[in-house]
Order: sequence, then structure tokens, then C-alpha cells
Amino acid sequence: DTGVSQDPRHKITKRGQNVTFRCDPISEHNRLYWYRQTLGQGPEFLTYFQNEAQLEKSRLLSDRFSAERPKGSFSTLEIQRTEQGDSAMYLCASSPLFHTEAFFGQGTRLTVV
Amino acid sequence: EDQVTQSPEALRLQEGESSSLNCSYTVSGLRGLFWYRQDPGKGPEFLFTLYSAGEEKEKERLKATLTKKESFLHITAPKPEDSATYLCAVQDSVIGNQFYFGTGTSLTVIP
Repeated sequence: DTGVSQDPRHKITKRGQNVTFRCDPISEHNRLYWYRQTLGQGPEFLTYFQNEAQLEKSRLLSDRFSAERPKGSFSTLEIQRTEQGDSAMYLCASSPLFHTEAFFGQGTRLTVV
Repeated sequence: EDQVTQSPEALRLQEGESSSLNCSYTVSGLRGLFWYRQDPGKGPEFLFTLYSAGEEKEKERLKATLTKKESFLHITAPKPEDSATYLCAVQDSVIGNQFYFGTGTSLTVIP
């Protein structure tokens, strides 16, 4: 399977714990996006990478959230001191540099209890 | 501020009953308008990209069209397997690289 891969698929954590998600984009896709989606809503933009550079970040993104993309390959999204409001589906998408459409992974479902 | 509004929120169709979903958008400059299909518990699946008014794209029973202010996703003779949430998104050529999504239309096709 050469699609976008996300790990884990599901994560249950206690409030206050830190969690980290991983995204492996489609090979040779330079652009990588993180989105968050809650039930009944459309995906909400979190951050954007072009290769290893984090070029855009949502103004709404709490400083408890951090993302990295070392060497422009896989990416990680970390949430520190999780809160119940962080419960959502976290989606990763990738896109080739000179194309516009993005291809999504299956997401990581986070539940904070 | 970029906005995407989809209607209706939910749509129930009999198998074979054609209909259309609407996506109204406001952007500074349109880089692209995108349609995705999303099944429960899964990530969005890419369907179409439209770039300019008057453009149309087709795939099986789906046809997407674009005007300067809205896009339609026409579903012809739908089947139960077309049941899903259909998401519309835009990318603004002025603001940046992010996609702005609507809240989607939940389509149910009844056999």
C-alpha cells in the first residue's frame, strides 16, 4: 500500500498525559498537512510542512501542540498535557510539490479520558 | 476570511434517485476547489479538483461543476455504496497552502 500511513489508529490517554502521533506520507510528496476533525465537522487545519520546513501553523493551535518533519520524510505531532477537548480524529495528508490535491491517511482517533 | 458552506447537511435518496449537493465558497483567490468522500471512521478520499469557473469533472456516477461562487456535486442514479459524507474544500491562492473545508453533506442511499 503506497498511501499515507498514520500510527497509531486509535489512542486512549488520560488527561494531562502527552501523546505523539506519526505520519508517513506518500513517497516523494514534499507537502505534508496535519488536520483535526471532530464529529459532524469538516477537517480543521493545524499545520503545513514543505519538506522539513514548517511553513504554516493555525493561529488557533495551542502551544501544547508541536509538529516536526525531520529530513522531510515522516512527521510527528505531539500534544502535551492533553485535555478532554483534544479528543478528535487527527488526520495527515500529503501532496506532491507541483500538484494541489492532497491525499489523506486513515487518521488517528484520540480519546482523552 | 475564507468560508465554505455545504448544503444540505443531510440527504436521503432512494436508489436511482438523482440529486445534487451544493458547496458555496468565499476566497480571496481560488487556487482550487476539491471534493472528497469520507466514510465513517476513515480519512477523506480524494474525488475531484476544479480550478476555474465552467470546469466539469466526472467519475462514474459523480459529476462536479464549478462557478465563481459555488460548486455542485451531481449524483446520477446513486447506489447504496455511494452513501458517505461528501466534503468540499478550497485552497486560497492569496492566503496560503491550507485547505478550508466545509462541514460536509451526509448522503444516505436507500435500496
